[in-house]
Amino acid sequence: NAGVTQTPKFQVLKTGQSMTLQCAQDMNHNSMYWYRQDPGMGLRLIYYSASEGTTDKGEVPNGYNVSRLNKREFSLRLESAAPSQTSVYFCASTYSQGGETQYFGPGTRLLVL
Amino acid sequence: KQEVTQIPAALSVPEGENLVLNCSFTDSAIYNLQWFRQDPGKGLTSLLLIQSSQREQTSGRLNASLDKSSGRSTLYIAASQPGDSATYLCAVSSDRDDKIIFGKGTRLHILP
Repeated sequence: NAGVTQTPKFQVLKTGQSMTLQCAQDMNHNSMYWYRQDPGMGLRLIYYSASEGTTDKGEVPNGYNVSRLNKREFSLRLESAAPSQTSVYFCASTYSQGGETQYFGPGTRLLVL
Repeated sequence: KQEVTQIPAALSVPEGENLVLNCSFTDSAIYNLQWFRQDPGKGLTSLLLIQSSQREQTSGRLNASLDKSSGRSTLYIAASQPGDSATYLCAVSSDRDDKIIFGKGTRLHILP
């Protein structure tokens, strides 16, 4: 039981490049989330998916897109990376919204030059 | 809009002391509140989850309380140890829009 896994662990991009961050969970959870964590800003919700086939915007969705590929996988795409998107990205999952513990992945460190 | 505040931002205490971390939130319409621990360079680990109908939860040396009407929660750590050094974050799950909002955390350092 791997829990929540994220790939890659670390990535360097040039401004304007695109990339997709991958997240998968093997706990049969329905809800999945993408956060970014910046010094002094805490964790901010980018997008979330309450169930397979649905996605919703969080606090800071601009510049990102998501895909809930199936129940296990939830990807985050940066179409044209900007230095302001340099951050640590965390994926999380929970069985259902509102009542359950969230489980977090180890994070992806992204540097945009 | 829900806002979550954690005070203090950083705290250093000698080993063995009991301590309290504070979390406040502006909108009382919540499903639950969670306390997490984050070690440097790592992800978050859930410590305690309190449902909106509950007043407190305990796990080992940790006790978390929730006063929903006043928008406050505390995390009490008994007999602190150097291994407790980490950043502690609280997060509230809103029942208005199903979002989970985090505070900025309290960075705790236990002095040996």
